[in-house]
Amino acid sequence: AQSVTQPDIHITVSEGASLELRCNYSYGATPYLFWYVQSPGQGLQLLLKYFSGDTLVQGIKGFEAEFKRSQSSFNLRKPSVHWSDAAEYFCAVGGPLYGNKLVFGAGTILRVKS
Amino acid sequence: KAGVTQTPRYLIKTRGQQVTLSCSPISGHRSVSWYQQTPGQGLQFLFEYFSETQRNKGNFPGRFSGRQFSNSRSEMNVSTLELGDSALYLCASSWDERGGGNTEAFFGQGTRLTVV
Repeated sequence: AQSVTQPDIHITVSEGASLELRCNYSYGATPYLFWYVQSPGQGLQLLLKYFSGDTLVQGIKGFEAEFKRSQSSFNLRKPSVHWSDAAEYFCAVGGPLYGNKLVFGAGTILRVKS
Repeated sequence: KAGVTQTPRYLIKTRGQQVTLSCSPISGHRSVSWYQQTPGQGLQFLFEYFSETQRNKGNFPGRFSGRQFSNSRSEMNVSTLELGDSALYLCASSWDERGGGNTEAFFGQGTRLTVV
């Protein structure tokens, strides 16, 4: 079965500092991996996605993520965080075994201190 | 291009009542999925519709149902509401014709349902 673990419920970083949000997945085949961001009371916005090919993927707002099959991980990174990045971040896994069904992690709430 | 539109944005219902939520996908998208988001259970997949047929289903009781119309608009219905059904219900549309999962899902802003 699909599953996603985001081990950090809350993370606080200083503005301008680098950021890494962790994501580990379980999937019975080659996964499709996604990172979404959600502001309070809003829907989900896709930051980036991995389907195949280059394991380092670039997304919007300066985010990137690296797919590491050996570690079953897809960590999200940003070199310099801005105050506007404060939000909740969700990692999700999908793939050909389950069609369009996405399984989400529990989310990581990012706080940015000035 | 307009995004995914969900109506209404907010809803308050009483236990035992039923409710219908609506979702209009992005033009050209025929796949519509529904998710429930709660603080305790997080984001959980309810079901997916494609071309008026349910193509995939999550682990929710039969009180949760949905349908899709020929114009790809979708509705979900919850009957005999319980307090635990209070949640943000999110709809997502995608272009995925074959159900392979390798297309981007675009989410609406959600409907906040409160059951009292």
